[in-house]
Amino acid sequence: EPEVTQTPSHQVTQMGQEVILRCVPISNHLYFYWYRQILGQKVEFLVSFYNNEISEKSEIFDDQFSVERPDGSNFTLKIRSTKLEDSAMYFCASKDWEQGPLNEQFFGPGTRLTVL
Amino acid sequence: AQTVTQSQPEMSVQEAETVTLSCTYDTSESDYYLFWYKQPPSRQMILVIRQEAYKQQNATENRFSVNFQKAAKSFSLKISDSQLGDAAMYFCAYRSAYGGANNLFFGTGTRLTVIP
Repeated sequence: EPEVTQTPSHQVTQMGQEVILRCVPISNHLYFYWYRQILGQKVEFLVSFYNNEISEKSEIFDDQFSVERPDGSNFTLKIRSTKLEDSAMYFCASKDWEQGPLNEQFFGPGTRLTVL
Repeated sequence: AQTVTQSQPEMSVQEAETVTLSCTYDTSESDYYLFWYKQPPSRQMILVIRQEAYKQQNATENRFSVNFQKAAKSFSLKISDSQLGDAAMYFCAYRSAYGGANNLFFGTGTRLTVIP
């Protein structure tokens, strides 16, 4: 069964460094998402991406964040200058529009980002 | 803005018994979808069950069923005949019926332990 994959599973970085989190959505899916979960808190929406552009973003998704679909298979989240409060689990998800209004978002296993 | 509340951070159940996980939400929209996701340890979130707000009948998927009370904005998950494999974090989520990307709003989760 097709799955969303994410790499790396755990990323440790120094404050101020740039990180890129990678996701491979399910092929033929059309909508892509990033969510994050700070330890002990709820899963929060960051951004959705459709037709090669951002369709929605939350207030968390400020100028430090960017997303890209560089090659038709990968979907990346870049944090330009990481802060301590960016430490969280980051989940990628994808969705196939053709499945109708209840179409399911399929989630990846997450990347745990630790900012020191 | 939509909010989802799960008031039980942890629950436990004896194997083969029944457990109910609570979820309430707040919205001003009349049409929306509600979901329960399961996240086993170190694995991705998978969809357990979903409910369309305009349907009065409660959704059922094998041992999983919901009690959807629209007026009370309550959406609880009942797991019958609990199995060891049901041990996981369970997230309640809300999604608007309007728009295309339709990001999910999550609760903080309930960690379910199944006691052999």
